[in-house]
Amino acid sequence: QVQLVQSGAEVKKPGASVKVSCKASGNTFTDYYMHWVRQAPGQGLEWMGWINPNSGGTNYAQNFQGRVTMTRDTSISTAYMELSRLRSDDTAVYYCARVVTTVNLYYFDYWGQGTLVTVSS
Amino acid sequence: EIVLTQSPATLSLSPGERATLSCRASQSVSSFLVWYQQKPGQAPRLLIYDASNRATGIPARFSGSGSGTDFTLTISSLEPEDFAVYYCQQRSNWPPTFGQGTRLEIK
Repeated sequence: QVQLVQSGAEVKKPGASVKVSCKASGNTFTDYYMHWVRQAPGQGLEWMGWINPNSGGTNYAQNFQGRVTMTRDTSISTAYMELSRLRSDDTAVYYCARVVTTVNLYYFDYWGQGTLVTVSS
Repeated sequence: EIVLTQSPATLSLSPGERATLSCRASQSVSSFLVWYQQKPGQAPRLLIYDASNRATGIPARFSGSGSGTDFTLTISSLEPEDFAVYYCQQRSNWPPTFGQGTRLEIK
């Protein structure tokens, strides 16, 4: 079955960068766009962007452009999300989420378990 | 970007009762509206896509309806495991956006 397994929790200082990984198994990694969604403590969901694992093409939400970079390593079926110039309000759980079909329809059936990133001085 | 407003913020009901959750869009999203369920400490779970289609493995007590700007998620008879937070999401326009959530709690 499809599984998305993310890297562990991180604590970072303001101004630093964080890189979260998402390892996929149970499907052909390059067939499905991977999105990233975050959730601040006690808050709702915020879409960050996607990566096409086949081409490496990306699309980022305007709120994150210039600070976020999504990459992938097809040899190990892993997607990455790096967020730079961290601020305290970047403290959140970060999820990777796979689209439902091989077409990028912008809704998600498989999610990683989430990675808590805490930004604190 | 499209703003989704969910109501009520919190819904208190008992097992066996019917739950009706609302999601209103700031402009038409046609039928491109999705519902997720999220339990504490877990990732969201896909329930309904394109307004009224149940995702794989979702029980028949969950149903969705609506089009344009007004959507409803109905749970016909609440089971104990249904108490959670529910989010709507539109995929009609870029960027995809989520509602702020409705918390369904046990009365």
